[in-house]
Amino acid sequence: QQPVQSPQAVILREGEDAVINCSSSKALYSVHWYRQKHGEAPVFLMILLKGGEQKGHDKISASFNEKKQQSSLYLTASQLSYSGTYFCGTESLTDSWGKLQFGAGTQVVVTP
Amino acid sequence: DAGVIQSPRHEVTEMGQEVTLRCKPISGHDYLFWYRQTMMRGLELLIYFNNNVPIDDSGMPEDRFSAKMPNASFSTLKIQPSEPRDSAVYFCASSLDGGYIQYFGAGTRLSVL
Repeated sequence: QQPVQSPQAVILREGEDAVINCSSSKALYSVHWYRQKHGEAPVFLMILLKGGEQKGHDKISASFNEKKQQSSLYLTASQLSYSGTYFCGTESLTDSWGKLQFGAGTQVVVTP
Repeated sequence: DAGVIQSPRHEVTEMGQEVTLRCKPISGHDYLFWYRQTMMRGLELLIYFNNNVPIDDSGMPEDRFSAKMPNASFSTLKIQPSEPRDSAVYFCASSLDGGYIQYFGAGTRLSVL
């Protein structure tokens, strides 16, 4: 089953912050975050494993709460280059090893 | 490395025709994934392979779809016969191991008229 992402879309001015949430009904082993620019392929941002870790990629960071089966992606001091659609991909403890289910995506538009 | 290579980049065909999409994964990667992306359904996993063996094909929509991986450097996704609702962007991705970073190809945009 697909994880649920929210919000569906967000519009930011340069320098503003945003949070994207990803929630699963399944017990998770890991959460992956990808970003896709219009007309391009998804590109990996980060992986979060069981253990409630946080990670960062430039000014983009994420957290994973395995008990709540939720992950959040934080866009801090957004830049124009952050525009795109962000997908979370979840790896469930009960699915085949390596299988990712992607959420519907969150479209982020950063304006000058 | 050149990354994941997909061909063709664009395919326009008529309903009922056979369509074959091709993928060359990154050398040394043991996992290969086929995804379909549409506005309505988002990014769906169709099938994936580990060491050339299909592991999970539960996402393949119906018998019209088939996928093969005859060797570590080549995979095909075939649709026969094609239908207009198959129109989508099909991505191939590969990873070093399960649960690792997936590297996506540029995708094949398929239009079935």
